[in-house]
Amino acid sequence: QVQLVQSEAEVKTPGASVKVSCKTSAYVFSDYYMHWVRQAPGQGLEWLGRLTPDSGATVYAQKFQGRVTMTRDTSTRTVYMDLSSLRSEDTAIYYCAREGVGENPKRYFFDYWGQGTLVTVPS
Amino acid sequence: QTVVTQEPSLTVSPGGTVILTCASSTGAVTSGHHPNWFQQKPGQPPRTLIYSTSNKHSWTPARYSGSLLGGKAALTLSGVQPEDEAKYYCLLYYDGVRVFGGGTKLTVL
Repeated sequence: QVQLVQSEAEVKTPGASVKVSCKTSAYVFSDYYMHWVRQAPGQGLEWLGRLTPDSGATVYAQKFQGRVTMTRDTSTRTVYMDLSSLRSEDTAIYYCAREGVGENPKRYFFDYWGQGTLVTVPS
Repeated sequence: QTVVTQEPSLTVSPGGTVILTCASSTGAVTSGHHPNWFQQKPGQPPRTLIYSTSNKHSWTPARYSGSLLGGKAALTLSGVQPEDEAKYYCLLYYDGVRVFGGGTKLTVL
């Protein structure tokens, strides 16, 4: 069955960078977008951006432009999210989430999510 | 900066019907915003219920439905069950960019 398995929790110092991975299996890797979403403690969901696995093209939320980088390794079917210049407000669970696109009519559907990776940045 | 607005909280009795809405600061929500609806319970990742306004996944209970209502996206729960108590988020599409609403805490009481 489709699986998105994320890397383990991380603790980082302010100003450092973190790289979270999302290893996929059991589907055609290039057929689906991969998004990154985060959730700070007790807060709502926040969209960081999207990667197109076959081309590597990215779209980032304006808030994270210049600080986030999304990449992929097609040989291992793994997607990465790198967030730099970390501050305490970046403490959150980071999720990868798969999105498919249907045609006629056009449809965009999120379906599978990773289990989440807690990134902690002490103040 | 685009803002997507949901009711912060709603309460419904078991067996009742409730409508959650999702509004856009840019104007009316249309099918072009491809509204997705997610359910999240404490300690769990979100689960996708509805996509592109009204389409259901295979795992979506029949009591959930999506629509456009009065310029907003809407999620209707009919015949609410105790296990429907959760936080619900909508997500809208803006030309490649996605924006989440702040979420609605649904209490079944």
